Amino acid sequence: EDQVTQSPEALRLQEGESSSLNCSYTVSGLRGLFWYRQDPGKGPEFLFTLYSAGEEKEKERLKATLTKKESFLHITAPKPEDSATYLCAVQAFKTSGSRLTFGEGTQLTVNP
Amino acid sequence: DTEVTQTPKHLVMGMTNKKSLKCEQHMGHRAMYWYKQKAKKPPELMFVYSYEKLSINESVPSRFSPECPNSSLLNLHLHALQPEDSALYLCASSQMRLMGRNTEAFFGQGTRLTVV
Repeated sequence: EDQVTQSPEALRLQEGESSSLNCSYTVSGLRGLFWYRQDPGKGPEFLFTLYSAGEEKEKERLKATLTKKESFLHITAPKPEDSATYLCAVQAFKTSGSRLTFGEGTQLTVNP
Repeated sequence: DTEVTQTPKHLVMGMTNKKSLKCEQHMGHRAMYWYKQKAKKPPELMFVYSYEKLSINESVPSRFSPECPNSSLLNLHLHALQPEDSALYLCASSQMRLMGRNTEAFFGQGTRLTVV
């Protein structure tokens, strides 16, 4: 069974204090790993797709990396507007290409 | 444009009511999804339509009835819901690629449903 575990559950940072969120996964053949950001009461907003170990993607203060067992979302010099829940999801080869398995998310709070 | 539009944004319905949630996308995506999300939990997959045909039903109770009238529209018909069905209902879409490697899913803003 595909499993996705995100840590920490919650993270409080001061503005400018860089940190990383972790997404550990167990799947029998990874098609793709996805990062989303979700604000309260809103739908998830797509951030990145990673397909193979060693791949990295960047967008503004965010950088996502992928190994064979986990993915990290690095946040450099965060701002209060980066506060949100960050969700990781995986898509496996053995299941339908349309099915995503989500982690429980990391709730990030950035204080000014 | 990566927009998925859901209506209504909020819905309050009684347990004997019939209502429908609507979703629309114009990105040419041929996979469309309904998810249910409870507070502080990740989205849970309910249904998937691939090329307008229902391809995944995650054992959802029959009081939820999906419909895909065309490649841009997705509906979720609701009837005789229970208070525990109150949640954020999310629609999403993605492009379908060869070998089942669908692209990233884009989500709508959701319908906040309250069953009283």
